[in-house]
Amino acid sequence: RKEVEQDPGPFNVPEGATVAFNCTYSNSASQSFFWYRQDCRKEPKLLMSVYSSGNEDGRFTAQLNRASQYISLLIRDSKLSDSATYLCVVNMGIYGGSQGNLIFGKGTKLSVKP
Amino acid sequence: EAQVTQNPRYLITVTGKKLTVTCSQNMNHEYMSWYRQDPGLGLRQIYYSMNVEVTDKGDVPEGYKVSRKEKRNFPLILESPSPNQTSLYFCASSLFGLAGGLSDTQYFGPGTRLTVL
Repeated sequence: RKEVEQDPGPFNVPEGATVAFNCTYSNSASQSFFWYRQDCRKEPKLLMSVYSSGNEDGRFTAQLNRASQYISLLIRDSKLSDSATYLCVVNMGIYGGSQGNLIFGKGTKLSVKP
Repeated sequence: EAQVTQNPRYLITVTGKKLTVTCSQNMNHEYMSWYRQDPGLGLRQIYYSMNVEVTDKGDVPEGYKVSRKEKRNFPLILESPSPNQTSLYFCASSLFGLAGGLSDTQYFGPGTRLTVL
């Protein structure tokens, strides 16, 4: 069964805090991994792709652990503007037999307070 | 400007009245996809298309049809809408990455809020 699970949240944190989200996926054939951000009633937008070696973009760090089948997103020095829902997305790629099928987690809501 | 457009943005209709939601992208992307988003269920893929004349079912295709006659357009058709198809619909497009998977960003349209009475 294809499944992507995330911490449901909400995460309520003060400005400047460090917050971490985890996401687990059930299909070991998964090939591509992403974090998207979605603001209320808006379309999702790519935050970052997640690579095996881990990757960092400013205050954001994404990690992939294939052995344990989870990905993580770390946000340092949280800003008010980081308040949003963060979506974990997994793609099977050619090895999964359904190349274009993307599985979204239900999202984790983050609220950064002053 | 690179973008994905959807029309209409808002639609209220009645059960059984056929409707089409259009989606168009100007980025020459091979891949296009439709999703619906419902409270508590997240984003679920309805159909996707790897290229012109190639479409595949996603996780919730029942009650929907799509076509991909041109690269830029990917309309979503509801032949006989029912109230359980009331939802927020997103179209998205993307290039394909070298690994054969989606290693590039998906661009989403602004969404279509559909209410079926």
